[in-house]
Amino acid sequence: NAGVTQTPKFRVLKTGQSMTLLCAQDMNHEYMYWYRQDPGMGLRLIHYSVGEGTTAKGEVPDGYNVSRLKKQNFLLGLESAAPSQTSVYFCASSQGYTGELFFGEGSRLTVL
Amino acid sequence: DQQVKQNSPSLSVQEGRISILNCDYTNSMFDYFLWYKKYPAEGPTFLISISSIKDKNEDGRFTVFLNKSAKHLSLHIVPSQPGDSAVYFCAAFSGGGADGLTFGKGTHLIIQP
Repeated sequence: NAGVTQTPKFRVLKTGQSMTLLCAQDMNHEYMYWYRQDPGMGLRLIHYSVGEGTTAKGEVPDGYNVSRLKKQNFLLGLESAAPSQTSVYFCASSQGYTGELFFGEGSRLTVL
Repeated sequence: DQQVKQNSPSLSVQEGRISILNCDYTNSMFDYFLWYKKYPAEGPTFLISISSIKDKNEDGRFTVFLNKSAKHLSLHIVPSQPGDSAVYFCAAFSGGGADGLTFGKGTHLIIQP
């Protein structure tokens, strides 16, 4: 019973490097989301997708790109990492829009 | 501008007593509210929700109360148990909007034996 799986779980980058976080869900959900959590800031929405092939910007999209080529996968890319992107990233999915999101375990990214 | 506010970063409650976590919101367009629970090194998990057409929703030991006129909601946990120690996030969204939830900053609940 995998649910929402994020890879990698930990990563250290140098400023300017690029990387991709992968989110995979096995619940056939239409909606997928990327959030970041910073100390004292709660969770903030980066990008989201309401179906395969669609993406949209959330509250804090700058410096990130996303793609949803397959329904079960939602990729978050950092083209040129900055220290301000040091955070814990959470992927989530939902079937309809009831607000009940299923979250992955998180990916901790450190940018030096 | 914070639309969902949890003004208590932490709360300590004795085991067996009632825990009350509070949340205020400013956006009048919000019509659905949720509470999520998060343990360290895990993702948040959905706990309970309430629609703006209701003022109370109960699920076992957890009850959420909504006061629309005050733009305030609260989560009651009774009786509190050690496993309830976690960070609790209040969240909200506007109906029909698939553009994600707006979360508060969270309250760290500590249940003391």
